[in-house]
Amino acid sequence: DTAVSQTPKYLVTQMGNDKSIKCEQNLGHDTMYWYKQDSKKFLKIMFSYNNKELIINETVPNRFSPKSPDKAHLNLHINSLELGDSAVYFCASSQDRTGGEQYFGPGTRLTVT
Amino acid sequence: GENVEQHPSTLSVQEGDSAVIKCTYSDSASNYFPWYKQELGKGPQLIIDIRSNVGEKKDQRIAVTLNKTAKHFSLHITETQPEDSAVYFCAASNEMDSSYKLIFGSGTRLLVRP
Repeated sequence: DTAVSQTPKYLVTQMGNDKSIKCEQNLGHDTMYWYKQDSKKFLKIMFSYNNKELIINETVPNRFSPKSPDKAHLNLHINSLELGDSAVYFCASSQDRTGGEQYFGPGTRLTVT
Repeated sequence: GENVEQHPSTLSVQEGDSAVIKCTYSDSASNYFPWYKQELGKGPQLIIDIRSNVGEKKDQRIAVTLNKTAKHFSLHITETQPEDSAVYFCAASNEMDSSYKLIFGSGTRLLVRP
């Protein structure tokens, strides 16, 4: 059973388009995250939700909008895609917001042409 | 905010040798230091972690040491095997912070030569 799953695994799209990435966790965790990994492998936190409440919003352009319909799902919608958005996006979850291990999904490789 | 520096960026060792990866952090309030392993095409996976009330922790061939005074922590892998080849990330966080988040180092690509 996959603990943290993401769809799609690969996403190729043109500049200016709008796209969404979906994430689901079946671990019963309260907290979920979105990370961006650039071409140099640098991992940076973008957003965090705890029980559907936004608790971390790093300096991410407004074109990125996370949505959490319930605590098991955290989706990422990106408007007006730009070349610089090309990266691998990872979803992760943790038991709660107090710390400890984060479980990562397999990643979504987004390529903007 | 927290800043984590990681060295080296690449490390090549012969199978059976030891590998050491070092990280420094800037925020003295950080109290949780995990290490993640990322294999090709996969998400990072926790391999070991340490909290600030402990100086060293070991799990089979993997150990982590923490020097709070110097704000250094290191990952030690002994008797390396080809399957240890991956990218390793250190991270730091403050578990007392209501907005708990991990700040990652820049990663070390470890290659274990058979």
